[in-house]
Amino acid sequence: QKEVEQNSGPLSVPEGAIASLNCTYSDRGSQSFFWYRQYSGKSPELIMSIYSNGDKEDGRFTAQLNKASQYVSLLIRDSQPSDSATYLCAVISYGQNFVFGPGTRLSVLP
Amino acid sequence: DVKVTQSSRYLVKRTGEKVFLECVQDMDHENMFWYRQDPGLGLRLIYFSYDVKMKEKGDIPEGYSVSREKKERFSLILESASTNQTSMYLCASVSGTNYEQYFGPGTRLTVT
Repeated sequence: QKEVEQNSGPLSVPEGAIASLNCTYSDRGSQSFFWYRQYSGKSPELIMSIYSNGDKEDGRFTAQLNKASQYVSLLIRDSQPSDSATYLCAVISYGQNFVFGPGTRLSVLP
Repeated sequence: DVKVTQSSRYLVKRTGEKVFLECVQDMDHENMFWYRQDPGLGLRLIYFSYDVKMKEKGDIPEGYSVSREKKERFSLILESASTNQTSMYLCASVSGTNYEQYFGPGTRLTVT
């Protein structure tokens, strides 16, 4: 059973701080990795995709991938109250379907 | 801009009714998915399709069927709605090049 694990949270950070969200996965053959943001009652929104080891930055978001450790993370710099949401990690392997983690609930405190 | 639309945001149906949930994407993607999302259970895959006329069962297909007559449209059918099918239903469209998956706004279905 392929698994993706995340801390369920809630993770609370003060406004302006860096929020660090972590995800581990079990399938060494995983090739593509995604972070989604989901506000309460809304659908998931794709915020980052990463395919190779290292860092990928997009605005205040940085995704980090370490395939050897089977670990992917999302850093949110200068966190804002509007970043308060559940963040889903998703992983896909060739020929397989997406596997989603349970999500981490982030709360950014003003 | 990427767009996935679903026919209804909220739907209330009675037990035993046949329910149609429609999803349309405008990105010319070949891959489309139907999920349901329930508190504590996360996203669960119901059915998916990699091409027109093609469909594959996901992890929880029981009680559901799908139709894909056109590339842009993927419909989920609840043959005889039951209360345990009360859920948020999410359609997604996936790029065949970079596997980025885009979700529709979701349909919150209540079966009474």
